[in-house]
Amino acid sequence: DTGVSQDPRHKITKRGQNVTFRCDPISEHNRLYWYRQTLGQGPEFLTYFQNEAQLEKSRLLSDRFSAERPKGSFSTLEIQRTEQGDSAMYLCASSSGTGGGYGYTFGSGTRLTVV
Amino acid sequence: GQNIDQPTEMTATEGAIVQINCTYQTSGFNGLFWYQQHAGEAPTFLSYNVLDGLEEKGRFSSFLSRSKGYSYLLLKELQMKDSASYLCAVRERTNAGKSTFGDGTTLTVKP
Repeated sequence: DTGVSQDPRHKITKRGQNVTFRCDPISEHNRLYWYRQTLGQGPEFLTYFQNEAQLEKSRLLSDRFSAERPKGSFSTLEIQRTEQGDSAMYLCASSSGTGGGYGYTFGSGTRLTVV
Repeated sequence: GQNIDQPTEMTATEGAIVQINCTYQTSGFNGLFWYQQHAGEAPTFLSYNVLDGLEEKGRFSSFLSRSKGYSYLLLKELQMKDSASYLCAVRERTNAGKSTFGDGTTLTVKP
């Protein structure tokens, strides 16, 4: 296993367009998280999956954002009608549990620029 | 909710020791993590504390005081490659177990 993979690495889109990002977590990890990070800020939580179930969503996640994790494997994050304020690094992380030192393993992120 | 504070920037000299502090307020604590993030890259896990005391891992050590809501990351024998942002993150005691991150401390190591 080569870690958490995210695709694409970079995305430039025009305001109003829809974009979709993909995350492939470490295969043994049943927990998957999406975060968003802007310059000079720490990552902000967006949503969490345990297997295929989306168990928590941040209030930051407007109805333009939707995430799925079919079959509990890869996950997709879609942003509809993008706005300039959506420009950020979108990070996916996976983890195998919440006890002990189960830190996140992050993917390399997808950098979104909305023009 | 969670509130995490850490200094924005620090500068240190190659070969020296630096301590990066983190204070937090939380409604439910289930561990504190430190991550390293180089510019343009994803964060990578450095250390984890859930009980009070010091955890040592090579040149890096992390300390936790739960009663004070305080942690620090200690970096010894600084190298130029240690120039990065260091993120303090507190994990919630919930089913999601999600972590809330501070805004990071940008460390610059000078020759």
